[in-house]
Amino acid sequence: TQLLEQSPQFLSIQEGENLTVYCNSSSVFSSLQWYRQEPGEGPVLLVTVVTGGEVKKLKRLTFQFGDARKDSSLHITAAQPGDTGLYLCAGNTGTASKLTFGTGTRLQVTL
Amino acid sequence: DTAVSQTPKYLVTQMGNDKSIKCEQNLGHDTMYWYKQDSKKFLKIMFSYNNKELIINETVPNRFSPKSPDKAHLNLHINSLELGDSAVYFCASSQAGQAHYGYTFGSGTRLTVV
Repeated sequence: TQLLEQSPQFLSIQEGENLTVYCNSSSVFSSLQWYRQEPGEGPVLLVTVVTGGEVKKLKRLTFQFGDARKDSSLHITAAQPGDTGLYLCAGNTGTASKLTFGTGTRLQVTL
Repeated sequence: DTAVSQTPKYLVTQMGNDKSIKCEQNLGHDTMYWYKQDSKKFLKIMFSYNNKELIINETVPNRFSPKSPDKAHLNLHINSLELGDSAVYFCASSQAGQAHYGYTFGSGTRLTVV
């Protein structure tokens, strides 16, 4: 069973701080995605990374896929209250379209 | 115009009842999914259909039966509901059966069994 462990589980920071969320697995993934979920809503796709070592930037968010394609990180610069939510990584091994989701990181950004 | 819509949003029912959750997508995607999110927010796949054909059936009690009348619809019927079925159920779809294109999720159905 593929398992994607995220750390930290919870993170409460003040506006303007930087943070990094990690997503680790012993499995190799053909692609890895990051989603953000807000209360009462479904997860929304932020980014997909495909190549080992790939770095993608989305405004203040920087995503990195590990060289071995087993891990990923999400770095947020100068966090804002609007970044509050549940961040989920999800990996695809390329078989049968199945995405395996990580354990989640709940982020709270306060003023 | 909602891309993936599921109904109802909330469902409260007694143990032993049978209930259905409906899902429709207007994105033209070929593949649809049902995921269950537990109280710890862990999302676990239940079923996947590609063009009305079942392609993923995880270890789910056979009280859960998905039905896909066409590729835009995937409904979930649950028989003899149990307390442990309480969770948020999400429908999702993806393009061309390739997960790396990303999933589009519905807003979820919160099922509470009392």
